[in-house]
Amino acid sequence: QLQLQESGPGLVKPSETLSLTCTVSGYSITSYSYYWAWIRQPPGKGLEWIGNIYYSGSTYYNPSLESRVSISVDTSKSQFSLTMTSMTAADTAVYYCASRLSSGWFDYWGQGTLVTVSS
Amino acid sequence: IQMTQSPSSLSASAGDRVTITCRASQDITNSLAWYQQIPGKAPKLLLYAASRLESGVPSRFSGSGSGTDYTLTVSSLQPEDSATYYCQQCYSTPWTFGQGTKVEIK
Repeated sequence: QLQLQESGPGLVKPSETLSLTCTVSGYSITSYSYYWAWIRQPPGKGLEWIGNIYYSGSTYYNPSLESRVSISVDTSKSQFSLTMTSMTAADTAVYYCASRLSSGWFDYWGQGTLVTVSS
Repeated sequence: IQMTQSPSSLSASAGDRVTITCRASQDITNSLAWYQQIPGKAPKLLLYAASRLESGVPSRFSGSGSGTDYTLTVSSLQPEDSATYYCQQCYSTPWTFGQGTKVEIK
């Protein structure tokens, strides 16, 4: 079964850059069926799609975050990564990685990792 | 596309029939998914394409709707259904979610 696991720092200072990695197991990251996505959830709030990447490297970002976000893929390690610049307290959230079928829904999710932006 | 859920929260007894509504700001032609999120856990896909049940999801969950208006129904609420439920439009990017409906068991 497809499994995803996020990794990265739990604390980031304001104005710094966040880097998170998601490791995919149980399924090929080069599958034609899937896009690989990042979604976040501020404490006590709803879900926000950040962006996703196809194994070929094609990316799609939420326009609200596009200027600060980059997603990359390393097929040799079965990993994809999120980079978000100029972090502020408003970016404090649980960050999830997920698999997205071409039809648009997210069928598998990582457990999530809490990222706190604080000095 | 903006997604609006109602109600924001509800309290019901075990065995009750519960309905949650999701309205899209434009026609999304059944491109809708529903998720269940238990506190401290990742969201779990319940239904996709508005009415198709994800594998392993109990049959007491069902979905319906068309155009801009969709519903998630739990036919007989169970204690383990205490969670927040989100709809998501799968019609066009940016993919967007409703604000969530918190379901509490009395």
